[in-house]
Amino acid sequence: NAGVTQTPKFQVLKTGQSMTLQCAQDMNHEYMSWYRQDPGMGLRLIHYSVGAGITDQGEVPNGYNVSRSTTEDFPLRLLSAAPSQTSVYFCASSSTAREYFGPGTRLTVT
Amino acid sequence: AQSVTQLGSHVSVSEGALVLLRCNYSSSVPPYLFWYVQYPNQGLQLLLKYTTGATLVKGINGFEAEFKKSETSFHLTKPSAHMSDAAEYFCAVSETGGGSNYKLTFGKGTLLTVNP
Repeated sequence: NAGVTQTPKFQVLKTGQSMTLQCAQDMNHEYMSWYRQDPGMGLRLIHYSVGAGITDQGEVPNGYNVSRSTTEDFPLRLLSAAPSQTSVYFCASSSTAREYFGPGTRLTVT
Repeated sequence: AQSVTQLGSHVSVSEGALVLLRCNYSSSVPPYLFWYVQYPNQGLQLLLKYTTGATLVKGINGFEAEFKKSETSFHLTKPSAHMSDAAEYFCAVSETGGGSNYKLTFGKGTLLTVNP
């Protein structure tokens, strides 16, 4: 049981490049979400999903896309990276009891 | 809409002293409340949570928090700080019910420093 896994751990992008942050969970949780963490801002919800095929926006969705084709996977796509998207990204999945966080992806956009 | 305010972005205590990290929330429905800890360059670890029932919640590593509805507070305490408690602490709230059970709103965090 690996819990929540995220890849890559680190990534550097140039402005305008695209990439996908991967997130997978092996706990059969319906609910998954993406947060970004910035200094002095705490964590802010980007997008979330309540099950395969169902996604919705969180607090800061602009510049990000998500899809949920399977229960296990919830990738986050940056279509055209901007320096403002430099952040640490955390994926999480939830049971009825609690939320489990992945180890994070540190993204730098130059 | 829900929000969380953590009073004090940085708290410094001596080893063995009381730790008190403050959290106030606003929520239009009965909230679920959480405290998470983040050690440097690591992910978030759940310390404790309040959903329903007993308002004094005990968590890991000797921490506890009390839900006070009248004060809309959920302060985190530990009687005696240890050097290993140095980390950043986040308070979070989620609305109960439906698919938003665990759509968390976080406070901005409190960095705890423990001095020898």
